Amino acid sequence: NAGVMQNPRHLVRRRGQEARLRCSPMKGHSHVYWYRQLPEEGLKFMVYLQKENIIDESGMPKERFSAEFPKEGPSILRIQQVVRGDSAAYFCASSPRTGQGARWTEAFFGQGTRLTVV
Amino acid sequence: AQSVTQLDSHVSVSEGTPVLLRCNYSSSYSPSLFWYVQHPNKGLQLLLKYTSAATLVKGINGFEAEFKKSETSFHLTKPSAHMSDAAEYFCVVSEGDTGRRALTFGSGTRLQVQP
Repeated sequence: NAGVMQNPRHLVRRRGQEARLRCSPMKGHSHVYWYRQLPEEGLKFMVYLQKENIIDESGMPKERFSAEFPKEGPSILRIQQVVRGDSAAYFCASSPRTGQGARWTEAFFGQGTRLTVV
Repeated sequence: AQSVTQLDSHVSVSEGTPVLLRCNYSSSYSPSLFWYVQHPNKGLQLLLKYTSAATLVKGINGFEAEFKKSETSFHLTKPSAHMSDAAEYFCVVSEGDTGRRALTFGSGTRLQVQP
């Protein structure tokens, strides 16, 4: 059972380009979360998605950032017109489907994508 | 709203001595609590978790943590540090019984182990 797969592991973009980060959750997991880690900081929540639905995007910057988790295929975090401040490690986590009000038991994290904007 | 405070940004110990990484949390609900470890340029690995069962939780690599509701603490300990324990450690809280199913991370504690 493969873990959470993120690609690419490293991504270099020039200012103004678009960055697309991919996350394939663990098999059987229908909840996906994206986090951003700036240098020397902890992880900050960005967005929580279920298949074809954005459940909570309260941590997403209002502009240039978007996320999707289609019915088929990986979850995508898209950053348009990247700026130097977007340079960070972006982590994806997945967890299994649980019932309403169920407690977190564990989130499984990918290896992350390290985005460098030059 | 939930929050996590890791009281030390850096901790340095000698190999073979005990490790204590401190974490205090704030939560409106009965929280789930986790410790994750991140080695340089690597992903996050779950060390242990508390989800309302036993208050003393044992994890991997000899680590354990005790949930103390009266002190709102979840400190991570290990009796004897090993060189391979050098890494960044994150205390994490989740308010599981709410609609917002997100993890809130502490700012991290960097553990150094001296030979």
